[in-house]
Amino acid sequence: AQTVTQSQPEMSVQEAETVTLSCTYDTSESDYYLFWYKQPPSRQMILVIRQEAYKQQNATENRFSVNFQKAAKSFSLKISDSQLGDAAMYFCAYRSEGRDDKIIFGKGTRLHILP
Amino acid sequence: KAGVTQTPRYLIKTRGQQVTLSCSPISGHRSVSWYQQTPGQGLQFLFEYFSETQRNKGNFPGRFSGRQFSNSRSEMNVSTLELGDSALYLCASSLGLAGGETQYFGPGTRLLVL
Repeated sequence: AQTVTQSQPEMSVQEAETVTLSCTYDTSESDYYLFWYKQPPSRQMILVIRQEAYKQQNATENRFSVNFQKAAKSFSLKISDSQLGDAAMYFCAYRSEGRDDKIIFGKGTRLHILP
Repeated sequence: KAGVTQTPRYLIKTRGQQVTLSCSPISGHRSVSWYQQTPGQGLQFLFEYFSETQRNKGNFPGRFSGRQFSNSRSEMNVSTLELGDSALYLCASSLGLAGGETQYFGPGTRLLVL
């Protein structure tokens, strides 16, 4: 069975600094998608970034980028120039390319931004 | 476009009662998924519906059920509530079932079982 592990329950970073959130996963599939979702306090969860497993190039969305290591089954999220609005729970998620495969979430990392 | 809406936003029930939660997806979205979020277990998948059919189910007891209507709106029902059912229940919609599709989440229904 597929699993997603986020080993850092909480992290803190100084405003304007860079922080990396870790995520590892386990799967026997070769085609799948990986996601980072952000859940700000008392606000709705939103997609931060998505990575297709067949793409070697790491996905980037403005200040957010990933380090996707398929062989190591690692999918870390790097946030550059951290801002106060980045404070949130961050969830790493996995979903197989095959239809009817459910999405699996990690337990999340709570990120604090220190002013 | 309006986002995903969930009603009610807050609910207090007592053990043994049943509860029905509602989710209205983004217009045009045909897939609706439900999740239970608790501090200890994180986000756990409950079920996914597409075109009124349940396509996926998580590892929850039969007390948890759901359905989807022809307009893609979805409801989930929990019967014989237990204290451990206290959680934030999140609904998410997407256009279809493709693995890479973005899920758009609602604000959640916070259920407290006393």
